[in-house]
Amino acid sequence: GDSVTQMEGPVTLSEEAFLTINCTYTATGYPSLFWYVQYPGEGLQLLLKATKADDKGSNKGFEATYRKETTSFHLEKGSVQVSDSAVYFCALSANFGNEKLTFGTGTRLTIIP
Amino acid sequence: KAGVTQTPRYLIKTRGQQVTLSCSPISGHRSVSWYQQTPGQGLQFLFEYFSETQRNKGNFPGRFSGRQFSNSRSEMNVSTLELGDSALYLCASSLPEGGANTEAFFGQGTRLTVV
Repeated sequence: GDSVTQMEGPVTLSEEAFLTINCTYTATGYPSLFWYVQYPGEGLQLLLKATKADDKGSNKGFEATYRKETTSFHLEKGSVQVSDSAVYFCALSANFGNEKLTFGTGTRLTIIP
Repeated sequence: KAGVTQTPRYLIKTRGQQVTLSCSPISGHRSVSWYQQTPGQGLQFLFEYFSETQRNKGNFPGRFSGRQFSNSRSEMNVSTLELGDSALYLCASSLPEGGANTEAFFGQGTRLTVV
């Protein structure tokens, strides 16, 4: 079945550091890929998405590129801020009328001033 | 535009009881999905409803059930509660178009504690 493998956390960085959170997936066909963020006490918010190979999703300084050859969708940000502290989830959806999201385990990110 | 609303936000129940959680999707959204989030298992898919029909189901026992009404509002029910059912239950709504996935919008969740 479909699965998402995500970089284990927690990750602690200093403000303005470069961030990479690795994500690889296993799926049949051509899934859509997502990064969701969860702030304390909240539900999930979509951070960015990509629906086909070589697409780059971007939002709030975060980027991720859909790499079919390596089945990866790594999240990057050039300069993190304290407000980026949250839990980040990589997810996939199989498309074709199937709204089910398969999530990775989540990576807790803490940014130190 | 109002977001996804889940009620109640917090719930404490005793083992053996049953519970019903409610989700009101974004206006116009016809797909509602439910997820269970626990520290040990992470985010797991429970089921999805589209136009009042269950379209997809995860690997949960029959004690977990759901339904969707004609106005797209959804409820999920858990019977004979167990301690392991303690979790954050998240609802998400979306507007599928022509088979392509669109963004899923999540509610804040219902925190269920079973004692």
